[in-house]
This record gives sequence, C-alpha cells and structure tokens, in this order.
Amino acid sequence: SQQGEEDPQALSIQEGENATMNCSYKTSINNLQWYRQNSGRGLVHLILIRSNEREKHSGRLRVTLDTSKKSSSLLITASRAADTASYFCATQVTSGSRLTFGEGTQLTVNP
Amino acid sequence: KAGVTQTPRYLIKTRGQQVTLSCSPISGHRSVSWYQQTPGQGLQFLFEYFSETQRNKGNFPGRFSGRQFSNSRSEMNVSTLELGDSALYLCASSLLDTDTQYFGPGTRLTVL
Repeated sequence: SQQGEEDPQALSIQEGENATMNCSYKTSINNLQWYRQNSGRGLVHLILIRSNEREKHSGRLRVTLDTSKKSSSLLITASRAADTASYFCATQVTSGSRLTFGEGTQLTVNP
Repeated sequence: KAGVTQTPRYLIKTRGQQVTLSCSPISGHRSVSWYQQTPGQGLQFLFEYFSETQRNKGNFPGRFSGRQFSNSRSEMNVSTLELGDSALYLCASSLLDTDTQYFGPGTRLTVL
C-alpha cells in the first residue's frame, strides 16, 4: 500500500518557471527521499532529508520536511524541458528499511 | 562504477508460465531490493535480500520469490503468471544500512 499522497498528480509549466510538488505520508519516518523517473524507466535518486532536518538544497532542488504535518515539498527552480518526468517521494521508517512510495507527480516542462 | 543492471529489459510471457528476472547490484553493495510498479498500484516493495538472506518481504503471494547469490546478484521468480503480474520490476541496491537505494532500469514484463 502507498505511504501517502502526492499533489498535484500532474503539473504542466513553462521552461524557466518553478515547479512545486507536495507529498504527504502517514507514519513516523526516519527519512524521506525524492526520486525521478523518466518515462517508465528506472528511478534516479534526487535528494534525501532526515526527520530531524527541515530543509535541504541540492543544485536547483529544494526540499522541505514538516514532520508535524507529515508532509514534504520538492521545489525545482528554473525548470528545463529535461526535467520532464515523474517525481516520487519515498519514506523509510528506519534507516535502510524498505522504501514506501507516494503516487507520484507527472511534471511536464514545455520549451 | 557501473550501475545496477537488470536482465532482460523486456519480457513477454503467457498466463500460467513462470519467469525469472535477474539483477546485478553496484559493486560492493550487499543489499538488493525488488519493487513492482503498475499503473494501478504504483510502486510496491516485493522483498529485500542481504548476504543471501531475505530480510524483508512485502505483501505479495507466494508465487513471487527471490534469492541472492554469494556475489550479491539476485534473481526473482514469478510462477503461474497472471495477467495482473504485468508490470515494471525494479531492482535496487544499497550499501549495508545506508538509506539511498540505487535503481536499475527495470524489466518490463507483459503477461498475455
């Protein structure tokens, strides 16, 4: 079963704009991760944020985590057409345990 | 360092048959996990192996099984295939007790 929900399910923006995706989960977690998937291929790890962290940056990515609300957001700044993909959040209850995925957000960046 | 490899990449089977999928983890990684991805159920955890032992299992029927070899390579087997087994099967490897899992390109299984 899925850990939670992602919002929106689909997002279409223009190149150069920012994209924000949200993820909610149900249980206490050790960490939350974001993955990208291009058109039914493998998942690429983007960023990991631990339960004691509130914000993390990696290049054009910014992730926030609110454990009181059991939610996270992924911000992609200055989007590019190459960012077009599905984005999934995934949680781990304990370090190294199985990943429980959200339903994903399909991002389309129009050139 | 080479990434996670999965073979075959595409597979077509008929109902009732069985199938074996293979996964070679990143060199040095000893933990291998398998996930099933379908449009209806999304990404779901199948099982995890470490040092040839199954450490964790998801909520799948006994038709789904796996194993890990001494070189950390892993196989998963699905017996008596059903139409609903059509999916992308993803393998991921990680170092012991680290959080990041590195995924392979997946095997697309179609059951007719």
